[in-house]
Amino acid sequence: DAMVIQNPRYQVTQFGKPVTLSCSQTLNHNVMYWYQQKSSQAPKLLFHYYDKDFNNEADTPDNFQSRRPNTSFCFLDIRSPGLGDAAMYLCATSRTRFASDYNEQFFGPGTRLTVL
Amino acid sequence: AQTVTQSQPEMSVQEAETVTLSCTYDTSESDYYLFWYKQPPSRQMILVIRQEAYKQQNATENRFSVNFQKAAKSFSLKISDSQLGDAAMYFCAYRSAHTGGGADGLTFGKGTHLIIQP
Repeated sequence: DAMVIQNPRYQVTQFGKPVTLSCSQTLNHNVMYWYQQKSSQAPKLLFHYYDKDFNNEADTPDNFQSRRPNTSFCFLDIRSPGLGDAAMYLCATSRTRFASDYNEQFFGPGTRLTVL
Repeated sequence: AQTVTQSQPEMSVQEAETVTLSCTYDTSESDYYLFWYKQPPSRQMILVIRQEAYKQQNATENRFSVNFQKAAKSFSLKISDSQLGDAAMYFCAYRSAHTGGGADGLTFGKGTHLIIQP
């Protein structure tokens, strides 16, 4: 089945140690998104790629970077994780960036990041 | 900026009964989309139902229906004949009809945890 895959499902890192989260998709969608979901809070958009065009949200910390080497893969890099970065990170895709009918976002299961 | 508010952190309903989850939002835009997403424990978020703001008719998908009140900026989800598999976190989300900048992503509420009692 076509889907959005996130690896690993659980990631533990140390304070200040760089970490990379991975997302892949078999849907061949043009847009890939990264959301941060802290405990008991709403998922919050960090950034997204429309094809190779990177779009950063204004309030996304500089500590967060992303790479999209090809259509299928997108990575979230956290350069120096702090305790406040512990969260569930959700990857999502959509066919296009246009908010037309039937252009829903498909989500992966998420990666839960723990910072020690 | 748009905001989405879900005022019910948790709801409980007996199996086979009907439950309504509330959502309000704030926006200055006239054209947008609203969604309800379901997030089962340890599983991915899936779309339950979608409403286009320009449509007056409320969306329905089998046992799921919405009550969209544009003037009141209210978008509630009604689940009829609740089933054990409906137990999940439910998120209300907003998406601008515009494209570009921060408009491409979803703005979520904090979610409502729905418990189904057998």
